[in-house]
Formats: sequence, structure tokens, C-alpha cells
Amino acid sequence: KQEVTQIPAALSVPEGENLVLNCSFTDSAIYNLQWFRQDPGKGLTSLLLIQSSQREQTSGRLNASLDKSSGRSTLYIAASQPGDSATYLCAVRQVDYGQNFVFGPGTRLSVLP
Amino acid sequence: GAGVSQTPSNKVTEKGKYVELRCDPISGHTALYWYRQSLGQGPEFLIYFQGTGAADDSGLPNDRFFAVRPEGSVSTLKIQRTERGDSAVYLCASSLSGNNEQFFGPGTRLTVL
Repeated sequence: KQEVTQIPAALSVPEGENLVLNCSFTDSAIYNLQWFRQDPGKGLTSLLLIQSSQREQTSGRLNASLDKSSGRSTLYIAASQPGDSATYLCAVRQVDYGQNFVFGPGTRLSVLP
Repeated sequence: GAGVSQTPSNKVTEKGKYVELRCDPISGHTALYWYRQSLGQGPEFLIYFQGTGAADDSGLPNDRFFAVRPEGSVSTLKIQRTERGDSAVYLCASSLSGNNEQFFGPGTRLTVL
């Protein structure tokens, strides 16, 4: 059974810092991995989607990498801003268990002004 | 509409009652997903539709839960004989097809008293 973990569970940084969020998964047979942000009381906003054949994706200050063989993905946020404060979730789309997504528990990020 | 919409945004019901939650996906998206999210956790997959049919319903917790998508667009998640443990935020997502980026709605917060 696929399990997705995220480290750290919570992170607090001063504005302007570069930071890395980690996502690990136990079964490397995945179609893709997607990073989301969730603001309190809101739905999920898609940030980046990495297909299993890709190594990384970039969007603005965000860069996500994927190492499928080791079951890891990282989300790099450059020059963090208070508006980046949210919970960041990763999710993997599996090959063997249909078309469902397995989510990690999320990393709660606070960027202090 | 521009994004995925869900109604109602909040639903309070009494134990034992029947509830229906509605999801309007992005126009043209053939894939639709339902998830359930408890406080402090990542979303948990419930069911995935490709067109009108349920391609994967392995996440439905028991036979009190049922979902339909009769015309391949709007979907309704139905919960019979609600229990207090059903209280959660129910999220809907859609994607262009099964392996594409998922876009989430704002969710329906269900509270069972």
C-alpha cells in the first residue's frame, strides 16, 4: 500500500529565505506527482505536476524535483514571502491501484515578515 | 464556470440523516474525483469517475456512501444514515483526463451532530 510522508510537519522562516519541503513515497510505481497549496478553510491550489518521466518542473519561484527510484520529491521555494504561508501537500498518482491520488499529510509553512 | 464549484459550502445535519453533496467540474473535464479531508490531514481518496462511470470506487469507506455522475458532468456524493465520524470537508476535483493535473473545488464542510 502506498504511503506518502512529508517532512517537516511545520516550518517557520523569516521572509526572504529559500526553503525546501520534502515528500517521500514508498511505492515508486507512479504516473505522476503533484504539489498543492492549501490556505486555511480553502480548497487545494495546484502548484506543479511532475510526470514520472520528468526530473523537475519550475513555475516562478517554485521548483519541484522528482527522484522516482528513491521515492522522493522536493519543493524548493525561493525568496519566500509572507503570502507563501499555507499548507503544502504532495500527492502521487499510482499505477497499480487505479487512478486515485495518495496524499501526504502536508507541511504547514509560516513565513514571518 | 472558470473552476470547480461545490454546493453547499457548509452542511449541518443530524446523525442518521441522508445528505447529498454536489460537484460541478470544469467544463470539458472527463475525469472527476471525490476526496474527504479531516482536520490536520491530507485528503483521502473516495472515488474517481471517467465520464459517467466510476473507474475506481475503492476509497468509499462503506455502503452508506455512493456517488453518481449520470451525464458525465455534474456529480453527486450521497451519504445515507450519516454518522458523527462522517464529519469532514468533502473535496471534489476534475481533470482533463485521467492522468492530467487535478483542479480542486473549495469543498463542502459536513458536520454531523
